Amino acid sequence: EDKVVQSPLSLVVHEGDTVTLNCSYEVTNFRSLLWYKQEKKAPTFLFMLTSSGIEKKSGRLSSILDKKELFSILNITATQTGDSAIYLCAVLTYKYIFGTGTRLKVLA
Amino acid sequence: DTAVSQTPKYLVTQMGNDKSIKCEQNLGHDTMYWYKQDSKKFLKIMFSYNNKELIINETVPNRFSPKSPDKAHLNLHINSLELGDSAVYFCASSQVSIPEQYFGPGTRLTVT
Repeated sequence: EDKVVQSPLSLVVHEGDTVTLNCSYEVTNFRSLLWYKQEKKAPTFLFMLTSSGIEKKSGRLSSILDKKELFSILNITATQTGDSAIYLCAVLTYKYIFGTGTRLKVLA
Repeated sequence: DTAVSQTPKYLVTQMGNDKSIKCEQNLGHDTMYWYKQDSKKFLKIMFSYNNKELIINETVPNRFSPKSPDKAHLNLHINSLELGDSAVYFCASSQVSIPEQYFGPGTRLTVT
């Protein structure tokens, strides 16, 4: 059965810290991996990764995919309280399979 | 302009009732989805429609019936509501060639 596992489940850091969130997967027919940020309401799109080794970057956030080892990481540098959210990883096969999410809390 | 909208935002109802949630997208996407997010924030796909045709129907009780009158709308009707149906239901849309999904604001359903 296809599965997507995220770690850690939750994380508390202080402003200015750097965090690394992990997403590992075991699926058939991998097409792409997507990261979303969910604050109080709907998930919002962050990155889509299809190829190994190519880093996607947006401001203080970056992500990379390793298709050989079947995982992706999401890095956030110089964290701010506004980064507090649930970060969701989803793998697209013939459908989207979401991980359980990592709940990040950034303290001032 | 709201890209993906859902109504209602909140729904409180009693067990046994029937209710509907509506979703509309104005992005011109050809694929729409319903997801259920439980209290632990686990997001699970329920249905997917492409150009008004059902393409994914996960293991969902047949009390749940989606309906897509056109590409821009996907509604969800739930019969005989149960306590376990309490969750946040998200509608989403995408273009089949571009995996990025846009989510609606969610409908928080509480069954008492």
